Amino acid sequence: ILNVEQSPQSLHVQEGDSTNFTCSFPSSNFYALHWYRWETAKSPEALFVMTLNGDEKKKGRISATLNTKEGYSYLYIKGSQPEDSATYLCACIIQGAQKLVFGQGTRLTINP
Amino acid sequence: EPEVTQTPSHQVTQMGQEVILRCVPISNHLYFYWYRQILGQKVEFLVSFYNNEISEKSEIFDDQFSVERPDGSNFTLKIRSTKLEDSAMYFCASSYGRFPETQYFGPGTRLLVL
Repeated sequence: ILNVEQSPQSLHVQEGDSTNFTCSFPSSNFYALHWYRWETAKSPEALFVMTLNGDEKKKGRISATLNTKEGYSYLYIKGSQPEDSATYLCACIIQGAQKLVFGQGTRLTINP
Repeated sequence: EPEVTQTPSHQVTQMGQEVILRCVPISNHLYFYWYRQILGQKVEFLVSFYNNEISEKSEIFDDQFSVERPDGSNFTLKIRSTKLEDSAMYFCASSYGRFPETQYFGPGTRLLVL
């Protein structure tokens, strides 16, 4: 059974500070990892799709790295803004599967 | 920007009743999915659908559940006889290609079974 874990479960950050959180997954049979940003009452928004060990992706102030050998991905937010407040979900796909397996999410709150 | 839409946004039903949750995927997408999140738990996969048939389903997706793409635009999830434990947020998603293509999610339908 593929178990994806995220930490921390929740995080409070002061506006302007940078932050990061983790997604851990079993490294065997890894195929791809997705990061989503989910605001309450809205659709989860796709941030990144990552497949290769050492991948780094960036979208504005948000970036992500991937280590498939040790089974983790980091999401970084630089200079947090109130609009970054959301739940950040990671989801993995193993080879041969047709489904995303999600972590429990990291709920980020930016304090003005 | 194209988006996945879902109706209704909220549904309350009595245990044992049938419910149909509706989704309109992005128009040129070929792969369709249903996920759900029970309150306080992880988002979990239910079923994937391609070329008018189920391509993978989870053990949750038993005979009480069915999916259909009746008219080339809608994608529906039917629960034949709802149980209390079916209360959850149900998400539809679609993608143009197979993995690792991005799956685009709808805003969800919150189902409450009383």
